[in-house]
Amino acid sequence: AQTVTQSQPEMSVQEAETVTLSCTYDTSESDYYLFWYKQPPSRQMILVIRQEAYKQQNATENRFSVNFQKAAKSFSLKISDSQLGDAAMYFCAYRNLNTDKLIFGTGTRLQVFP
Amino acid sequence: NAGVTQTPKFQVLKTGQSMTLQCAQDMNHEYMSWYRQDPGMGLRLIHYSVGAGITDQGEVPNGYNVSRSTTEDFPLRLLSAAPSQTSVYFCASSPPQGLPQHFGDGTRLSIL
Repeated sequence: AQTVTQSQPEMSVQEAETVTLSCTYDTSESDYYLFWYKQPPSRQMILVIRQEAYKQQNATENRFSVNFQKAAKSFSLKISDSQLGDAAMYFCAYRNLNTDKLIFGTGTRLQVFP
Repeated sequence: NAGVTQTPKFQVLKTGQSMTLQCAQDMNHEYMSWYRQDPGMGLRLIHYSVGAGITDQGEVPNGYNVSRSTTEDFPLRLLSAAPSQTSVYFCASSPPQGLPQHFGDGTRLSIL
């Protein structure tokens, strides 16, 4: 069974600085998708970024980028120029292409200090 | 375009009561799923469906039933509510093959 591990329950960053959130996963599949979701206090689940496993190039969305290391089964999220609005829970998720199931990690709470 | 709509947003039940959490999507997505979110445990998959008439169990299916009679609707039924089912419930939908899921706003359910 696939698993997703986020080993950092909490992280903090100063406004305008850069922070990296870690995620590792376990799978025997060769093709899959990986996602980072943001959950602010409003409880909404907001897609931040996604990565297709067959693509070697790391995905980027404005200030958000990933470091995808397929062999190491690692998928970290880098937030550059952190803003107060980035404070939220961040969830890493794995999607199996055969079953379409989405498996979540336990989340990392990010605090941003002015 | 409403996206994924969950009702109700909040509900308090007594142990042993039954109820149905409603989920509807207007994006013609084939894939729909239900998750529960508990503190420190992320989102865990309860049941999912890959299309009308097809459902399957996720990681934590006990105590819950689902059905998928139409593409748009995917209700979650609690048969006999227990305090352990106190949680926030999310419904999500997506096209197949790895495309991102769209989430509803969640239902906070408390079982006394």
